[in-house]
Parts: sequence; C-alpha cells; structure tokens
Amino acid sequence: DAGITQSPRHKVTETGTPVTLRCHQTENHRYMYWYRQDPGHGLRLIHYSYGVKDTDKGEVSDGYSVSRSKTEDFLLTLESATSSQTSVYFCAILGDTSYEQYFGPGTRLTVT
Amino acid sequence: KNEVEQSPQNLTAQEGEFITINCSYSVGISALHWLQQHPGGGIVSLFMLSSGKKKHGRLIATINIQEKHSSLHITASHPRDSAVYICAVPLMNYGGSQGNLIFGKGTKLSVKP
Repeated sequence: DAGITQSPRHKVTETGTPVTLRCHQTENHRYMYWYRQDPGHGLRLIHYSYGVKDTDKGEVSDGYSVSRSKTEDFLLTLESATSSQTSVYFCAILGDTSYEQYFGPGTRLTVT
Repeated sequence: KNEVEQSPQNLTAQEGEFITINCSYSVGISALHWLQQHPGGGIVSLFMLSSGKKKHGRLIATINIQEKHSSLHITASHPRDSAVYICAVPLMNYGGSQGNLIFGKGTKLSVKP
C-alpha cells in the first residue's frame, strides 16, 4: 500500500460540465501520473508531474489539464467533459525503486 | 504501433495448470514491470526486473534483455489468479521523465475450478 487515494471513486456527469479528479498521496513521492484505461487500449498516460508546479503532457492529454500545488495532491481536470472521456482513471506514483509505479484504486467516470 | 506486445490476449486454464504469459518489446529498456488487475479492482505491482528471474510465491518472472522478451509464469494456478496481467517498460527519453512507462494491453486470465 503506497498510501494513494483517489476521489471521487465514481462519478456520472453530463457532457459539457467541468470535472476534477483528485489524487492524494501520503509518502512524499516526487513523480505522479494520471492514466486512463479503456477496453482495447490498455493504460494510457494523460499527464504526469515531476514536482510541485512541474507537469508535462502524456500520450492522450487533449481535453485534460492538471495541477500540482502541493506534493501530496495531483488534480486532473476535464474542462468540458465529452462522452469520449468516459473511462476509468488511475493515478500512480513512482516508488523509491526506479520505474516501479504504484497505483491508486481508480475513478470510474461516466459522461452522459 | 504498439511497442509492447503481450500474448496471449486471453487465456483460460484449469485449476492446477502451469501458465505462461509473454511480453515482447521493441524499445531499449533497463527494467520491465509486471502488474496484476483483478476484475473491477485496482492495479497491483507484481515484479520489477532488469535481468534473470524473480520469484514470489507461485509467480515467476523472467527476462531476456538481448531478446527483448519477458515471461510471467504461474505454477499450480488457482481461480483466485484470474485477473488481467499487464507488462510495462520505461519510456526512457519521454519528456525527460525517468519513470514514464509504456504498457501492453494486458492478458486476461481465467482459471476454472
């Protein structure tokens, strides 16, 4: 258990509404990641952070923004949700051993 | 083009069988990560290995860096092993981050009693 929580765990929202997902860690890890998981695609990187206020885009960043104002929190925002953003979202941290990531429990987001 | 390929995509086994899941990759790596995801559940790290073999209980992971191939073996499989198994390799130069991973699409294992 790497002390990672995600909130909310489930959310249903309407097209066009803003949505923010939160990832919280308790062990002061520097690197944090947001992924989405869809059938047939596996896990795909949305954005990642390598420190407070330091973030960069991943493979599927269009339509998403992130913020990291504190080490422990990494926020993912959908400015205007679309049905194509219906997915399961996972947050992860990079552990002390290089390349080994630990995942949060996931957030199931449905955009209607 | 998927740089991490897993086979098979789906696997059904009888309880007690020896199971092998394969992972091939086309990028240079220094380590490979095996993960497990139970139905409706979270993602758990199983192994991180850079050479040879690692064993944890009934799970064994091997890697051949020269051939760019890794295998995950499960001995004496049990219905509770039913899950999706995912391999991932570091994307060394992506955005300067040392930790970014490329994931395979996963192998869905179902072990019947």
